[in-house]
Amino acid sequence: NAGVTQTPKFRVLKTGQSMTLLCAQDMNHEYMYWYRQDPGMGLRLIHYSVGEGTTAKGEVPDGYNVSRLKKQNFLLGLESAAPSQTSVYFCASTTGENQPQHFGDGTRLSIL
Amino acid sequence: GQNIDQPTEMTATEGAIVQINCTYQTSGFNGLFWYQQHAGEAPTFLSYNVLDGLEEKGRFSSFLSRSKGYSYLLLKELQMKDSASYLCAAMDSNYQLIWGAGTKLIIKP
Repeated sequence: NAGVTQTPKFRVLKTGQSMTLLCAQDMNHEYMYWYRQDPGMGLRLIHYSVGEGTTAKGEVPDGYNVSRLKKQNFLLGLESAAPSQTSVYFCASTTGENQPQHFGDGTRLSIL
Repeated sequence: GQNIDQPTEMTATEGAIVQINCTYQTSGFNGLFWYQQHAGEAPTFLSYNVLDGLEEKGRFSSFLSRSKGYSYLLLKELQMKDSASYLCAAMDSNYQLIWGAGTKLIIKP
């Protein structure tokens, strides 16, 4: 009964380094999302996917790239990390657009 | 622009009732969600309203007025485990969720 699994849970990077965050869901959901959560702000959508092989930009896509090669996986990449990308990143998935989203436990990312 | 407003923090007493308000402005509207988020954890779904009125789920109820752009979450018989942040999110015409910053609810014995 895993639901949505995010790896890694924590990571510290230096400015300019790259990394990939992995999100995996075992609920056969079509829709997947990447959010960032910063203190005093609501969740902000980075990128999303409405099905295998599709991706779209959200509210704050700059500096990030995504891929959805398999239905169960949604990857978020940072090509050249910046301190402004220090945040908690959440992945979510759902069966339909107006259905509840199920969240992973988050990845806490610090960029020095 | 699109905007969600909810109080930053509220305090209530164990066993009491608390109402957390949320006002929203979105381009189109496809429903309003409430989520609970304990510190350091993931948000979890509480309720969804798309029609006007009150939806009751055990100790939690959620109300929506589309004409006023207003919703509230009502928590009854408060327990210490209800200490958490409560996130309001409105779905716009593109089915994108616009999230509030959350209301941190502190429960005192």
